[in-house]
Amino acid sequence: SAVISQKPSRDICQRGTSLTIQCQVDSQVTMMFWYRQQPGQSLTLIATANQGSEATYESGFVIDKFPISRPNLTFSTLTVSNMSPEDSSIYLCSSELGAQNNEQFFGPGTRLTVL
Amino acid sequence: DAKTTQPPSMDCAEGRAANLPCNHSTISGNEYVYWYRQIHSQGPQYIIHGLKNNETNEMASLIITEDRKSSTLILPHATLRDTAVYYCIVRSPNTGFQKLVFGTGTRLLVSP
Repeated sequence: SAVISQKPSRDICQRGTSLTIQCQVDSQVTMMFWYRQQPGQSLTLIATANQGSEATYESGFVIDKFPISRPNLTFSTLTVSNMSPEDSSIYLCSSELGAQNNEQFFGPGTRLTVL
Repeated sequence: DAKTTQPPSMDCAEGRAANLPCNHSTISGNEYVYWYRQIHSQGPQYIIHGLKNNETNEMASLIITEDRKSSTLILPHATLRDTAVYYCIVRSPNTGFQKLVFGTGTRLLVSP
C-alpha cells in the first residue's frame, strides 16, 4: 500500500491569489493524479502527472489555471491560480504503485475556500 | 469507459448485510468493475474489483451477473463506520488501469 499526505489540509484564500498544494507519497510511483471535488459533488480528474514530462490535462482544465509540477517519483504540486470563489473545492491527489497494481491510493484532500 | 448507474442513497441497519447495486449495461468485455468508498472528510478508499467472477476480500464481496451488465457490492455485516458514499467504476485496461471516472455514487447510511 501507499501512504499519501497533502499540505495544506485546508486554506482560506482571497480571490485573485494563487495556492500551491503539495502531495507526498511514501513510495516511488510512476503516475500521480489530481482530482477536484466541488461541494456536494463527486470527484473530477484534473490532470495526470508523470515524472519528467508535462502533465496531461482533462477536458475543461488548462495548465495556466492549474499548473502542476512533478519533480521526482514521490512528490507533486498543484497550483490553483488566480482563484475565484468557484474554485472552492476539495483537491485530492492520488497514485498507483504500478501498472499491475489495480488499487489507486488517495490523499486526505485539501479543502480550499476562496472568498 | 462505460457509464454506471447507482441509487443515490440507501439505508442499512447495523449488523445487517448492505447490498449496493450498480448497473453498467454498456460494459465492454475487457472492462473491470471497481468499487471505492469515500467516508466523510476523507479521500476515496479502494474496496474491491472484478472482471467476470465473483470476488471476496476482507472488506466486501462483489457479485457480477453473468452478462456483466450489473453488479452488487455486499458488506456482510455493516457497521456504523461503513457509512460513506460508495462508487462503482468501470475501468478500461486500454487506459493502462490509470484513470478513474467517478459517478455520483450511493450514499449508504448505516444506523444503530
